[in-house]
Amino acid sequence: NAGVTQTPKFQVLKTGQSMTLQCAQDMNHEYMSWYRQDPGMGLRLIHYSVGAGITDQGEVPNGYNVSRSTTEDFPLRLLSAAPSQTSVYFCASSSRKLAASTDTQYFGPGTRLTVL
Amino acid sequence: AQSVTQLGSHVSVSEGALVLLRCNYSSSVPPYLFWYVQYPNQGLQLLLKYTTGATLVKGINGFEAEFKKSETSFHLTKPSAHMSDAAEYFCAVTANFGNEKLTFGTGTRLTIIP
Repeated sequence: NAGVTQTPKFQVLKTGQSMTLQCAQDMNHEYMSWYRQDPGMGLRLIHYSVGAGITDQGEVPNGYNVSRSTTEDFPLRLLSAAPSQTSVYFCASSSRKLAASTDTQYFGPGTRLTVL
Repeated sequence: AQSVTQLGSHVSVSEGALVLLRCNYSSSVPPYLFWYVQYPNQGLQLLLKYTTGATLVKGINGFEAEFKKSETSFHLTKPSAHMSDAAEYFCAVTANFGNEKLTFGTGTRLTIIP
């Protein structure tokens, strides 16, 4: 059981380039989400998914696309990278009812992205 | 709409002293509240959470938090700090009707003084 995995760990892009951040979980969780973490701003929700084929926007969705074709995978696409997207990106997953007493949200180790 | 305010972006305590990290929330519906810890270069790990029932919640590593509705607070405490507690701590809130969208505070970095 690997939990939530993210690749790559580090990435440097030039302005205008595109790329996909990968996220996978092996816990059969329905809910997956992407956050970005910036100094002094905590974690902000980019996009989330409540199941295969269902995605929705979070607080800061502009410049990012997601899709959810399988339960396990939830890739995040940067369409045309900008310096403002320099950040640490975290993927998380949980079972459908996060707030049930036995449930928690599991976070991946993060991807550190720099856009020059 | 919901929001979280963490008072103090940096807190320093001596080893063995009380740890108190403050969190106040705003929510238009009854909230579920969480504390997460992040060690350097790692993802977030759940410390504890409040859903319903007992307002004093015990978590891992000796931490606990008390939900006070009248004060809209969910402060995190630990009676005796240990060097291994040095990390960043995040408070988060979500609405208690099965909404999985977490809103995080800006975090508090805890430093332990030997």
